[in-house]
Amino acid sequence: KQEVTQIPAALSVPEGENLVLNCSFTDSAIYNLQWFRQDPGKGLTSLLLIQSSQREQTSGRLNASLDKSSGRSTLYIAASQPGDSATYLCAATDMDTGRRALTFGSGTRLQVQP
Amino acid sequence: DGGITQSPKYLFRKEGQNVTLSCEQNLNHDAMYWYRQDPGQGLRLIYYSQIVNDFQKGDIAEGYSVSREKKESFPLTVTSAQKNPTAFYLCASSIGGYSPLHFGNGTRLTVT
Repeated sequence: KQEVTQIPAALSVPEGENLVLNCSFTDSAIYNLQWFRQDPGKGLTSLLLIQSSQREQTSGRLNASLDKSSGRSTLYIAASQPGDSATYLCAATDMDTGRRALTFGSGTRLQVQP
Repeated sequence: DGGITQSPKYLFRKEGQNVTLSCEQNLNHDAMYWYRQDPGQGLRLIYYSQIVNDFQKGDIAEGYSVSREKKESFPLTVTSAQKNPTAFYLCASSIGGYSPLHFGNGTRLTVT
């Protein structure tokens, strides 16, 4: 059964710093991996989706990479801003399940200090 | 605007009562999902439906029930058999296949 782990659980950085969030998964037979943002008491907003055949995806100040062989993905946030403060979750879609659903990590809670 | 609407935002119930959470989407998506989120934890799949009139259990289906009579609606009933129902419930939908999921804003259920 797929397990997704995110480290660290919480992170506090000063504004302007570049940072990396980590995501690891146990079963490399994934179809894709998604990164989401969740603000307190809200639903999830999709940030980036990386297909299994891709190595990375970029959107603005965000860059997500995927290394299937090592079971890892990273989310790089450049020049962090206080508005980036939120919980970031990664989720893997398994290749060999018929349900097409995601297995989520428990998230990294990011606080960017002004 | 297209999207997923979950209602109500907050719900309070007494122990032993069944409660139904609403999820409606106007995105014309075939697939819909219910997830549960507990503090400091990731989302766990309760039920999912790939098509109207069909649904399957997820990882934590015990104590929950669903129906999918219409494409745009996927209500979740939390029954009295659910041991720890207090949680944040999220509904999602997708076109189907391996397409990205779109999430509603959630319903926070508190059972006392």
